[in-house]
Amino acid sequence: QVQLVQSGAEVKKPGASVKVSCKASGYTFISYAMHWVRLAPGQRLEWMGWINAGNGNTKFSQKFQGRVTITRDTSASTVYMELNGLRSEDTAVYYCARGPNCGGDCFFDYWGQGTLVTVSS
Amino acid sequence: DIQMTQSPSTLSASVGDRVTITCRASQSISSWLAWYQQKPGKAPKFLIYKASSLESGVPSRFSGSGSGTEFTLTISSLQPDDFATYYCQQYNSYSLTFGGGTKVEIK
Repeated sequence: QVQLVQSGAEVKKPGASVKVSCKASGYTFISYAMHWVRLAPGQRLEWMGWINAGNGNTKFSQKFQGRVTITRDTSASTVYMELNGLRSEDTAVYYCARGPNCGGDCFFDYWGQGTLVTVSS
Repeated sequence: DIQMTQSPSTLSASVGDRVTITCRASQSISSWLAWYQQKPGKAPKFLIYKASSLESGVPSRFSGSGSGTEFTLTISSLQPDDFATYYCQQYNSYSLTFGGGTKVEIK
């Protein structure tokens, strides 16, 4: 069965960076995309970007362009999301979510359990 | 970005009720719409894609319809497990966006 297991909760100071991992199992890792979506308190789900796990190509929401990096390690079936220049508004639960490689269908069929990132001085 | 507006934001219903949630897009998205269910403290669960295609394993009491700018998610007979927040998501453009969510509460 498909499983996405994320790294644990993080507490960071403003201006710092955070790197969250997402380990995939139960499917052919390089055949799918992996997205990152966050849910901040009182806000709606917000898509951040995605990576084609096969060729490593990435695409980001304009809101996060330049501040987020998504990488993958195919040998470990793991995707990483790094967010720089953290501010209090980045306090949220961050999810990785699998999907077909976007080019038509671009939805999320399996989700990780979520990682709480708290930004506080 | 394409804006997605859901209504109502909260809905009170009883077990057995027929429930309809509406999602409107700020411009046409053809049928490139998905629906998700989320319970407190849990990850979202994928329900429907391409506006009306039910994901495998999702109960048949869930259905989706619509195209263009107006879409609906219907639960034909609300079950205790269905009390949750529901989100729509458009994927017509590469800047993927979600609706604000509809919380289905026990009446």
